[in-house]
Amino acid sequence: GAGVSQSPSNKVTEKGKDVELRCDPISGHTALYWYRQSLGQGLEFLIYFQGNSAPDKSGLPSDRFSAERTGGSVSTLTIQRTQQEDSAVYLCASSLSSGEEDQPQHFGDGTRLSIL
Amino acid sequence: QKEVEQNSGPLSVPEGAIASLNCTYSDRVSQSFFWYRQYSGKSPELIMSIYSNGDKEDGRFTAQLNKASQYVSLLIRDSQPSDSATYLCAVQGYSSASKIIFGSGTRLSIRP
Repeated sequence: GAGVSQSPSNKVTEKGKDVELRCDPISGHTALYWYRQSLGQGLEFLIYFQGNSAPDKSGLPSDRFSAERTGGSVSTLTIQRTQQEDSAVYLCASSLSSGEEDQPQHFGDGTRLSIL
Repeated sequence: QKEVEQNSGPLSVPEGAIASLNCTYSDRVSQSFFWYRQYSGKSPELIMSIYSNGDKEDGRFTAQLNKASQYVSLLIRDSQPSDSATYLCAVQGYSSASKIIFGSGTRLSIRP
């Protein structure tokens, strides 16, 4: 498909386990964002990748959270030793940042993470 | 002060009326501005983007930008019940490497 793809769509795991969430951005998009959204809340920025630049990790809530982007394309968000407060929808978005008018973000359908 | 501010609402508007959603931002050199709509349980979807001062119209939607006042708004004409959603304002800084920053969203309810 041509859109942002996230997997899995749903993940249920026990407290203390590690989880990996995957994002396949739109082909050619240089910018990739991860957000977290709890029920009824706004988007919480987590991390931003732009091309080959060092990622902006300023939104990661703790050192249990990490993300990487391999080859400038696919990204994986890893949460270690999950806690119940990590339960949320994790959204990935990508955009084509070029030229004077920057392109908007396109969102995936998200991964709904539930920590038991 | 938050970087992008929106009234959380809920904003209740009668069907057929004009809904007006407002957003202010703190970074004076911001260049790109976006409005997203998010239905409950769904991902945000882009409605409008605007880059220059003035109005930009697309169907029933009009985005208005005033960089001097650091203000961007979205007008929805002839509001329909299907417009009931949360509307997110997003702002991007001067360079193409600038992070897009979202407001917390305004919940809009169109009453029949």
